[in-house]
Amino acid sequence: DAGVIQSPRHEVTEMGQEVTLRCKPISGHNSLFWYRQTMMRGLELLIYFNNNVPIDDSGMPEDRFSAKMPNASFSTLKIQPSEPRDSAVYFCASSLPGGKYRGYTFGSGTRLTVV
Amino acid sequence: GQQLNQSPQSMFIQEGEDVSMNCTSSSIFNTWLWYKQDPGEGPVLLIALYKAGELTSNGRLTAQFGITRKDSFLNISASIPSDVGIYFCAGYSFREAQKLVFGQGTRLTINP
Repeated sequence: DAGVIQSPRHEVTEMGQEVTLRCKPISGHNSLFWYRQTMMRGLELLIYFNNNVPIDDSGMPEDRFSAKMPNASFSTLKIQPSEPRDSAVYFCASSLPGGKYRGYTFGSGTRLTVV
Repeated sequence: GQQLNQSPQSMFIQEGEDVSMNCTSSSIFNTWLWYKQDPGEGPVLLIALYKAGELTSNGRLTAQFGITRKDSFLNISASIPSDVGIYFCAGYSFREAQKLVFGQGTRLTINP
């Protein structure tokens, strides 16, 4: 299995531009999570989906952030317009349905720099 | 939301030394997990614990699920340079069974 695949690995953009981060979860995993990691705040859960449906978006910082999961194998996190304070590493993770809790499998992350 | 208090925040040790870190919560957790994050990568699961008092090993790593269900610790014996990274505790609580709560991380640096 290829694991959770995120793209791009690095993104540098100018303030005000739209940024789209992409994620392909592990096949068979029905839950998908978007996290943001910064030195100051650590790992923050932004939003998660179960069976492609957004369950909890309380961690999304502002209306500038939006996430979609049009099907079981693809999700996007969009920031529009981007700001310098959005600079962080964004992780996507997926997990198996129900049963014993085995945690999440993380992708390698997208390092976003907004200048 | 719920928080996990992880300590220490950072450690600077000599190669070959043993390492110990712990995680505490104000509420009961039914699963404890320990992850390691290498530089430039996402966290990777090291050990999962499901029962109070459970002690589980993975090579030189040993983790325990506290009896009170409010804490867990991770030990690394005879540290080697590739142990460098950030270690996160994480857990599922009874109250929010679907959301994994993460600690702030312990950054481990090893002097050869």
